[in-house]
Amino acid sequence: DAKTTQPTSMDCAEGRAANLPCNHSTISGNEYVYWYRQIHSQGPQYIIHGLKNNETNEMASLIITEDRKSSTLILPHATLRDTAVYYCIVMEYGNKLVFGAGTILRVKS
Amino acid sequence: DAGVIQSPRHEVTEMGQEVTLRCKPISGHNSLFWYRQTMMRGLELLIYFNNNVPIDDSGMPEDRFSAKMPNASFSTLKIQPSEPRDSAVYFCASSIDRGSEAFFGQGTRLTVV
Repeated sequence: DAKTTQPTSMDCAEGRAANLPCNHSTISGNEYVYWYRQIHSQGPQYIIHGLKNNETNEMASLIITEDRKSSTLILPHATLRDTAVYYCIVMEYGNKLVFGAGTILRVKS
Repeated sequence: DAGVIQSPRHEVTEMGQEVTLRCKPISGHNSLFWYRQTMMRGLELLIYFNNNVPIDDSGMPEDRFSAKMPNASFSTLKIQPSEPRDSAVYFCASSIDRGSEAFFGQGTRLTVV
Protein backbone atom coordinates (compact mmCIF):
# COMPACT_ATOMS: atom_id res chain seq x y z
CA ASP A 1 0.00 0.00 0.00
CA ALA A 2 2.38 2.62 -1.36
CA LYS A 3 1.57 6.10 -0.13
CA THR A 4 3.62 7.81 -2.84
CA THR A 5 4.13 7.46 -6.58
CA GLN A 6 7.36 8.58 -8.22
CA PRO A 7 8.74 8.15 -11.74
CA THR A 8 11.22 5.31 -11.99
CA SER A 9 13.96 7.45 -13.49
CA MET A 10 14.77 10.92 -14.80
CA ASP A 11 17.63 12.60 -16.58
CA CYS A 12 18.86 16.15 -16.03
CA ALA A 13 21.58 18.22 -17.66
CA GLU A 14 24.36 19.41 -15.41
CA GLY A 15 23.79 22.98 -14.27
CA ARG A 16 20.09 22.86 -14.93
CA ALA A 17 17.34 22.56 -12.34
CA ALA A 18 16.19 19.05 -11.52
CA ASN A 19 12.48 18.82 -10.75
CA LEU A 20 11.45 15.54 -9.14
CA PRO A 21 7.71 14.95 -8.83
CA CYS A 22 5.88 12.91 -6.23
CA ASN A 23 2.19 12.04 -6.02
CA HIS A 24 0.64 11.42 -2.61
CA SER A 25 -3.07 11.72 -3.26
CA THR A 26 -4.10 9.94 -0.04
CA ILE A 27 -2.02 12.08 2.30
CA SER A 28 -3.73 12.93 5.56
CA GLY A 29 -3.71 16.27 7.32
CA ASN A 30 -1.03 15.42 9.84
CA GLU A 31 1.36 13.69 7.46
CA TYR A 32 4.56 15.35 6.35
CA VAL A 33 6.37 14.97 3.04
CA TYR A 34 10.02 13.96 3.47
CA TRP A 35 12.72 13.66 0.83
CA TYR A 36 15.86 11.58 1.15
CA ARG A 37 18.42 10.55 -1.41
CA GLN A 38 20.89 7.71 -1.66
CA ILE A 39 24.09 8.07 -3.59
CA HIS A 40 25.57 4.80 -4.78
CA SER A 41 27.04 2.66 -2.01
CA GLN A 42 26.21 5.20 0.70
CA GLY A 43 23.50 5.42 3.33
CA PRO A 44 20.44 7.55 2.61
CA GLN A 45 20.77 11.28 3.24
CA TYR A 46 18.04 13.60 4.44
CA ILE A 47 17.23 16.48 2.09
CA ILE A 48 14.15 18.34 3.27
CA HIS A 49 10.64 17.93 4.63
CA GLY A 50 7.44 19.96 4.82
CA LEU A 51 3.81 19.89 5.88
CA LYS A 52 1.91 22.53 3.93
CA ASN A 53 4.17 25.41 3.06
CA ASN A 54 6.96 25.40 0.55
CA GLU A 55 10.35 24.86 2.13
CA THR A 56 13.89 25.74 1.08
CA ASN A 57 17.27 24.88 2.49
CA GLU A 58 20.84 24.84 1.25
CA MET A 59 20.27 21.64 -0.69
CA ALA A 60 16.87 21.97 -2.30
CA SER A 61 13.38 23.44 -2.42
CA LEU A 62 10.17 21.56 -1.73
CA ILE A 63 7.01 22.74 -3.43
CA ILE A 64 3.76 21.24 -2.09
CA THR A 65 0.52 21.82 -3.96
CA GLU A 66 -2.30 23.57 -2.17
CA ASP A 67 -4.36 20.38 -1.95
CA ARG A 68 -1.21 18.55 -0.72
CA LYS A 69 -1.78 15.71 -3.15
CA SER A 70 1.55 16.17 -4.87
CA SER A 71 4.91 17.80 -4.40
CA THR A 72 8.09 18.59 -6.31
CA LEU A 73 11.64 18.52 -5.09
CA ILE A 74 13.80 21.06 -6.89
CA LEU A 75 17.59 20.90 -7.07
CA PRO A 76 18.30 24.37 -8.48
CA HIS A 77 21.64 23.66 -10.18
CA ALA A 78 22.19 19.95 -10.52
CA THR A 79 25.75 18.62 -10.54
CA LEU A 80 27.10 15.19 -11.37
CA ARG A 81 27.31 14.52 -7.62
CA ASP A 82 23.53 14.80 -7.41
CA THR A 83 23.14 11.54 -9.34
CA ALA A 84 21.31 9.34 -6.85
CA VAL A 85 18.04 7.63 -5.97
CA TYR A 86 15.58 10.16 -4.55
CA TYR A 87 12.91 8.98 -2.15
CA CYS A 88 9.67 10.81 -1.42
CA ILE A 89 8.14 9.61 1.86
CA VAL A 90 4.89 10.55 3.50
CA MET A 91 4.56 9.97 7.23
CA GLU A 92 3.23 11.38 10.44
CA TYR A 93 5.81 13.08 12.58
CA GLY A 94 7.09 10.47 14.98
CA ASN A 95 6.12 7.53 12.84
CA LYS A 96 8.48 5.12 11.16
CA LEU A 97 10.40 6.09 8.04
CA VAL A 98 9.44 3.68 5.25
CA PHE A 99 11.19 3.89 1.88
CA GLY A 100 9.63 3.09 -1.49
CA ALA A 101 11.41 2.50 -4.79
CA GLY A 102 12.29 6.15 -5.40
CA THR A 103 13.39 7.94 -8.57
CA ILE A 104 16.80 7.36 -10.11
CA LEU A 105 18.09 10.78 -11.11
CA ARG A 106 20.92 10.81 -13.61
CA VAL A 107 22.70 14.12 -14.05
CA LYS A 108 24.56 14.24 -17.34
CA SER A 109 27.32 16.54 -18.51
CA ASP B 1 30.53 14.35 15.63
CA ALA B 2 31.72 11.41 13.52
CA GLY B 3 28.19 10.50 12.55
CA VAL B 4 26.60 7.09 12.88
CA ILE B 5 29.31 4.46 13.05
CA GLN B 6 28.72 0.91 11.94
CA SER B 7 31.01 -2.05 12.19
CA PRO B 8 32.17 -4.07 10.49
CA ARG B 9 31.91 -2.46 7.03
CA HIS B 10 32.09 -5.85 5.35
CA GLU B 11 31.36 -9.29 6.70
CA VAL B 12 31.64 -12.62 4.94
CA THR B 13 30.44 -15.63 6.85
CA GLU B 14 29.39 -19.20 6.26
CA MET B 15 25.82 -20.34 6.41
CA GLY B 16 24.83 -21.33 9.93
CA GLN B 17 27.24 -18.98 11.67
CA GLU B 18 26.18 -16.23 14.04
CA VAL B 19 26.65 -12.68 12.79
CA THR B 20 26.62 -9.56 14.92
CA LEU B 21 26.40 -6.10 13.41
CA ARG B 22 27.17 -3.07 15.54
CA CYS B 23 26.03 0.52 15.56
CA LYS B 24 27.03 3.61 17.49
CA PRO B 25 24.42 6.35 17.05
CA ILE B 26 25.11 10.06 17.15
CA SER B 27 25.44 11.29 20.72
CA GLY B 28 22.21 12.84 21.97
CA HIS B 29 19.99 11.04 19.49
CA ASN B 30 17.08 9.22 21.07
CA SER B 31 15.86 7.14 18.15
CA LEU B 32 17.71 4.35 16.38
CA PHE B 33 16.71 2.40 13.28
CA TRP B 34 17.97 -0.75 11.57
CA TYR B 35 17.35 -1.17 7.83
CA ARG B 36 18.23 -3.86 5.32
CA GLN B 37 18.73 -3.19 1.62
CA THR B 38 18.70 -5.67 -1.25
CA MET B 39 18.22 -5.24 -4.96
CA MET B 40 15.00 -7.21 -4.86
CA ARG B 41 13.32 -5.64 -1.83
CA GLY B 42 14.91 -2.21 -1.57
CA LEU B 43 15.27 -0.54 1.82
CA GLU B 44 13.32 -2.34 4.52
CA LEU B 45 12.88 -1.10 8.08
CA LEU B 46 13.64 -3.96 10.44
CA ILE B 47 13.25 -2.40 13.88
CA TYR B 48 13.45 0.91 15.62
CA PHE B 49 14.17 1.99 19.17
CA ASN B 50 13.20 5.09 21.08
CA ASN B 51 15.12 5.86 24.27
CA ASN B 52 16.70 2.38 24.05
CA VAL B 53 13.30 0.65 24.00
CA PRO B 54 12.19 -1.32 20.92
CA ILE B 55 9.07 0.38 19.56
CA ASP B 56 8.33 -1.59 16.42
CA ASP B 57 10.00 -4.82 15.37
CA SER B 58 7.37 -5.85 12.83
CA GLY B 59 9.96 -5.68 10.07
CA MET B 60 12.24 -8.30 11.60
CA PRO B 61 12.06 -11.18 9.13
CA GLU B 62 12.02 -14.06 11.56
CA ASP B 63 13.22 -15.33 14.91
CA ARG B 64 16.75 -15.71 13.61
CA PHE B 65 17.04 -11.92 13.82
CA SER B 66 17.33 -10.07 17.11
CA ALA B 67 18.31 -6.52 18.03
CA LYS B 68 19.33 -4.95 21.29
CA MET B 69 20.12 -1.50 22.55
CA PRO B 70 21.70 -1.89 25.98
CA ASN B 71 22.46 1.82 26.26
CA ALA B 72 22.06 5.07 24.37
CA SER B 73 25.38 4.73 22.58
CA PHE B 74 25.30 1.19 21.26
CA SER B 75 23.06 -1.23 19.40
CA THR B 76 23.52 -4.67 17.88
CA LEU B 77 21.68 -6.65 15.24
CA LYS B 78 22.29 -10.37 15.47
CA ILE B 79 21.48 -13.11 13.00
CA GLN B 80 21.68 -16.66 14.29
CA PRO B 81 21.93 -18.87 12.32
CA SER B 82 22.72 -16.91 9.17
CA GLU B 83 21.47 -17.99 5.73
CA PRO B 84 22.51 -16.97 2.21
CA ARG B 85 19.26 -15.03 1.76
CA ASP B 86 20.37 -12.73 4.59
CA SER B 87 23.05 -11.31 2.31
CA ALA B 88 22.37 -7.59 2.07
CA VAL B 89 23.59 -4.18 3.16
CA TYR B 90 22.44 -3.38 6.68
CA PHE B 91 22.09 0.28 7.65
CA CYS B 92 21.77 1.82 11.05
CA ALA B 93 20.35 5.32 11.46
CA SER B 94 19.69 7.65 14.36
CA SER B 95 17.69 10.81 14.91
CA ILE B 96 17.06 13.23 17.73
CA ASP B 97 13.48 12.01 17.87
CA ARG B 98 11.30 9.83 15.69
CA GLY B 99 10.17 12.54 13.33
CA SER B 100 13.31 14.53 12.83
CA GLU B 101 16.05 14.10 10.26
CA ALA B 102 17.55 10.61 10.31
CA PHE B 103 21.30 10.21 9.87
CA PHE B 104 22.48 6.97 8.33
CA GLY B 105 25.71 5.09 8.77
CA GLN B 106 27.79 3.77 5.89
CA GLY B 107 26.27 0.34 6.22
CA THR B 108 27.56 -3.19 6.70
CA ARG B 109 27.71 -5.36 3.61
CA LEU B 110 26.94 -8.91 4.71
CA THR B 111 27.62 -11.89 2.52
CA VAL B 112 26.55 -15.33 3.70
CA VAL B 113 28.04 -18.17 1.65
